[in-house]
Amino acid sequence: GQQLNQSPQSMFIQEGEDVSMNCTSSSIFNTWLWYKQEPGEGPVLLIALYKAGELTSNGRLTAQFGITRKDSFLNISASIPSDVGIYFCAGPKTSGSRLTFGEGTQLTVNP
Amino acid sequence: NAGVTQTPKFRILKIGQSMTLQCTQDMNHNYMYWYRQDPGMGLKLIYYSVGAGITDKGEVPNGYNVSRSTTEDFPLRLELAAPSQTSVYFCASSYKGREQYFGPGTRLTVT
Repeated sequence: GQQLNQSPQSMFIQEGEDVSMNCTSSSIFNTWLWYKQEPGEGPVLLIALYKAGELTSNGRLTAQFGITRKDSFLNISASIPSDVGIYFCAGPKTSGSRLTFGEGTQLTVNP
Repeated sequence: NAGVTQTPKFRILKIGQSMTLQCTQDMNHNYMYWYRQDPGMGLKLIYYSVGAGITDKGEVPNGYNVSRSTTEDFPLRLELAAPSQTSVYFCASSYKGREQYFGPGTRLTVT
């Protein structure tokens, strides 16, 4: 089936550092979504990618749709304490009406 | 727009009790979803709906029921609560089944 593997599972960084995380699959995806979930809250959509090779930014966040369509990357520049949370990647299942989610990358930022 | 709203925010149930988790969206989305998230884990799909009057099972439907009589509302029913249903429940909606927008969640404890 369509599975998404996220890495790393967790990251502990110092404020000001840049962060990179990725999401890979053995299947091709036509859309990649990146969500952030803060403690005690629901996931919030950060970035949506629709074309292979696409690079999209949202403030200090930049995400890329891999050329093979089997991976995506999320970078956070100059991290701050409020970046703490779990970052999920997601992509639509073949049926189109449901999403496959990765297991998430837990980010901790030390001030 | 309020987006996706969920009530209640918190609930404690005794084993065997029943309850309904409410979910409403004001974005006129056709697609709606119920997920559960256990501590430290990712999102698991319980049920989903592609439009009023249409519902379908997700990955973990046992012990739950849903109905979709209007576009706006998608309640989740627990008939005989069990400790294994202790979790955080998220409702989400989507226009075309891709980008999903989540509610703030309901934290349920069954003792």
